[in-house]
Amino acid sequence: GEDVEQSLFLSVREGDSSVINCTYTDSSSTYLYWYKQEPGAGLQLLTYIFSNMDMKQDQRLTVLLNKKDKHLSLRIADTQTGDSAIYFCAERMWSGGYNKLIFGAGTRLAVHP
Amino acid sequence: DGGITQSPKYLFRKEGQNVTLSCEQNLNHDAMYWYRQDPGQGLRLIYYSQIVNDFQKGDIAEGYSVSREKKESFPLTVTSAQKNPTAFYLCASSISGTGGGYTFGSGTRLTVV
Repeated sequence: GEDVEQSLFLSVREGDSSVINCTYTDSSSTYLYWYKQEPGAGLQLLTYIFSNMDMKQDQRLTVLLNKKDKHLSLRIADTQTGDSAIYFCAERMWSGGYNKLIFGAGTRLAVHP
Repeated sequence: DGGITQSPKYLFRKEGQNVTLSCEQNLNHDAMYWYRQDPGQGLRLIYYSQIVNDFQKGDIAEGYSVSREKKESFPLTVTSAQKNPTAFYLCASSISGTGGGYTFGSGTRLTVV
């Protein structure tokens, strides 16, 4: 079936690293995404990784992909209060004649002093 | 700057009324989508359209209707048949056939009063 799972809540201290984890179901997914949602706003694409990659780094963000375990993680280095938001993992899969994104329920990241 | 615009930001509906949510994009994207977001849940797909004058039901289409008369516009009507319409509605667009992910609007919060 189509299911992307994430833990619902993560709390970290300012300056520490945050690691948000995600598991997905479709081994044929070609792209996997991380989106950020701030309160009352839409989703902002943070980064994505192609399935033939193991890792992608973009400034403070590091994405790790373990295809064998269907596990995706997002590491935020030196977490700041501005990083407090909900983070959604999504997989791209072919279904019903088109490519669609399947989203997890989102992980709420709370950054405290 | 190119983007995707949703209006209004807040909308109040009396029971038994139909309301229409606007979504306009100037990104020249072929595909457009409507999602519903409820607290603590992921995004659920209502309708999607891959080209003008064509659209398909998503996972929770009952009580909703859409049209796609122009490439730039994909309005969503929440009808009186939708029994629990209070939610945050997100519109998105994408280039068909690429892995670049979706661009989201800032959302419309609909409340039934």
